Amino acid sequence: GAGVSQSPRYKVAKRGQDVALRCDPISGHVSLFWYQQALGQGPEFLTYFQNEAQLDKSGLPSDRFFAERPEGSVSTLKIQRTQQEDSAVYLCASSLGSPGTGSYNEQFFGPGTRLTVL
Amino acid sequence: AQKVTQAQTEISVVEKEDVTLDCVYETRDTTYYLFWYKQPPSGELVFLIRRNSFDEQNEISGRYSWNFQKSTSSFNFTITASQVVDSAVYFCALNPSTGRRALTFGSGTRLQVQP
Repeated sequence: GAGVSQSPRYKVAKRGQDVALRCDPISGHVSLFWYQQALGQGPEFLTYFQNEAQLDKSGLPSDRFFAERPEGSVSTLKIQRTQQEDSAVYLCASSLGSPGTGSYNEQFFGPGTRLTVL
Repeated sequence: AQKVTQAQTEISVVEKEDVTLDCVYETRDTTYYLFWYKQPPSGELVFLIRRNSFDEQNEISGRYSWNFQKSTSSFNFTITASQVVDSAVYFCALNPSTGRRALTFGSGTRLQVQP
């Protein structure tokens, strides 16, 4: 597709369930970011991939959060034993180049997955 | 550490009024980028503008204009002759020129334009 896609768009989980959120970045984009957006707040950084390497996971709120990008394209954000405070919109963004290359690469955002934990 | 502050939580105007959205930032980086994004009810973040910290020229694009003042660490956004379609949440964001380049967002300003 032309843009970043995410699935599912909406997910309702019972507390304690595991969930997996998928991101399909723009083809050829090296960098991939995950953000968490709580209701009424701005997005907050979770983790960053350069190709298949997870270079920064400093924003992951707990060890229940896990992300992967095994082939350097599609990425999955997994949340184990979901809690009510995990309810948020999870945004994925991709950009063409890598940070530190000396040039800016715009981040393109997907529509997000709205996760509701009951 | 970086921080972006959007003090205005919600603004309501009547169509055709001008409106300015404020953004103040903090960063220790000497070079950085500033952004404005629009988030309509559909939820997708729409890129509006990027400004390099070296470039303090103001910019105008149609009804939109941006005022970057490095001395006061502000990057304000003005919509002239607002329209109902401008109703959305607007986010100011910052990222450094080096490093992981993740965006640091403000908490957003919800703009409601009444007909």
